[in-house]
Amino acid sequence: EPEVTQTPSHQVTQMGQEVILRCVPISNHLYFYWYRQILGQKVEFLVSFYNNEISEKSEIFDDQFSVERPDGSNFTLKIRSTKLEDSAMYFCASSLEGQYNEQFFGPGTRLTVL
Amino acid sequence: AQSVAQPEDQVNVAEGNPLTVKCTYSVSGNPYLFWYVQYPNRGLQFLLKYITGDNLVKGSYGFEAEFNKSQTSFHLKKPSALVSDSALYFCAVREYSSASKIIFGSGTRLSIRP
Repeated sequence: EPEVTQTPSHQVTQMGQEVILRCVPISNHLYFYWYRQILGQKVEFLVSFYNNEISEKSEIFDDQFSVERPDGSNFTLKIRSTKLEDSAMYFCASSLEGQYNEQFFGPGTRLTVL
Repeated sequence: AQSVAQPEDQVNVAEGNPLTVKCTYSVSGNPYLFWYVQYPNRGLQFLLKYITGDNLVKGSYGFEAEFNKSQTSFHLKKPSALVSDSALYFCAVREYSSASKIIFGSGTRLSIRP
């Protein structure tokens, strides 16, 4: 069964450093998403991406964040200058289409900012 | 604003007994409702969804959910619990105004004792 994959599984970085989290969505899916889950809190929507552009973003997704689909398979989330409060589990997801289809989630990348 | 509430942080059930995990929602239009499950160190796995039609929705692993418009509820059920059902369960709603954003509940930890 096809699945969403994410690398790395765990990333440790120093405050102020840039990190790139990588995802390979399911191959025939058209919509891509990033969510995050701070330890002990809800899963929160960050951004959705369709047709090579951001279709929606949350208040969390400020100028420090960017997403890119650099080739036909990868989908990345970049955090330009990490803060302590960026420490969380980051989930990538994809769906066949945007409105009615369920989103399929990857296993997550645990980001620890020191 | 759309929201979901999961009133129970934890549900404990004996193996073989029926289980219910509660969810209520608040939306301004037609609700698109989902249940996801999260096993330790794994991503969110889709269980089932309600878009329209039959109020009783059947999903993966023998789970089902009942959409109740008058009570604005979407409770997850299973007739006979297995120890392997022990996990974190999230109810979620698609925002009416959004083509993509999913809002998650706070999660309910389901524990099945042998």
